[in-house]
Amino acid sequence: RKEVEQDPGPFNVPEGATVAFNCTYSNSASQSFFWYRQDCRKEPKLLMSVYSSGNEDGRFTAQLNRASQYISLLIRDSKLSDSATYLCVVNKGSSASKIIFGSGTRLSIRP
Amino acid sequence: GAVVSQHPSRVICKSGTSVKIECRSLDFQATTMFWYRQFPKQSLMLMATSNEGSKATYEQGVEKDKFLINHASLTLSTLTVTSAHPEDSSFYICSARDWGAYNSPLHFGNGTRLTVT
Repeated sequence: RKEVEQDPGPFNVPEGATVAFNCTYSNSASQSFFWYRQDCRKEPKLLMSVYSSGNEDGRFTAQLNRASQYISLLIRDSKLSDSATYLCVVNKGSSASKIIFGSGTRLSIRP
Repeated sequence: GAVVSQHPSRVICKSGTSVKIECRSLDFQATTMFWYRQFPKQSLMLMATSNEGSKATYEQGVEKDKFLINHASLTLSTLTVTSAHPEDSSFYICSARDWGAYNSPLHFGNGTRLTVT
């Protein structure tokens, strides 16, 4: 089992739709969680951190479920510019020395 | 916010030559930096963890003599691809984290696209 698992997609949704991704992690001691987006042929860029109480940034909402060991990302009113690969990132264990990336979920927004 | 600078952004070299890639943390000290490689349509793969003042830690399957890492200061790590071959052509990305900031995320350099002819 991978340490961090994501549905690879691709998700192909119309502009304006709401789309949600989940990401599961195996290490129950994981402390930090993040969502990154990566555009084609570019480096990953931080989208948002994920806090225990859940957090929202504009059209994006991130949630953490420690009991079930997953995090989620919800995108509302999707835009064409949201097309990218979304990476789930988990800080493995209580040590900050290793950060694990999911393989990414590809999202394509169609007009 | 924290910024990581990577140079060069693109390099084309002949087979057998060596290429050095620099990764700098611009406004924070990074005792640890990470080097990744990404092939087209694949996910990021961690190659090694660069530790300031000590040897790098390489992931399984990554040749330490081929991918030389030097982390001589708190703001600079270098990756040298020695005797490059066409199969080394890839997108190399470094990242660093401001360990002094609680739960700070990883920040990435803008990557180096290496093409070996």
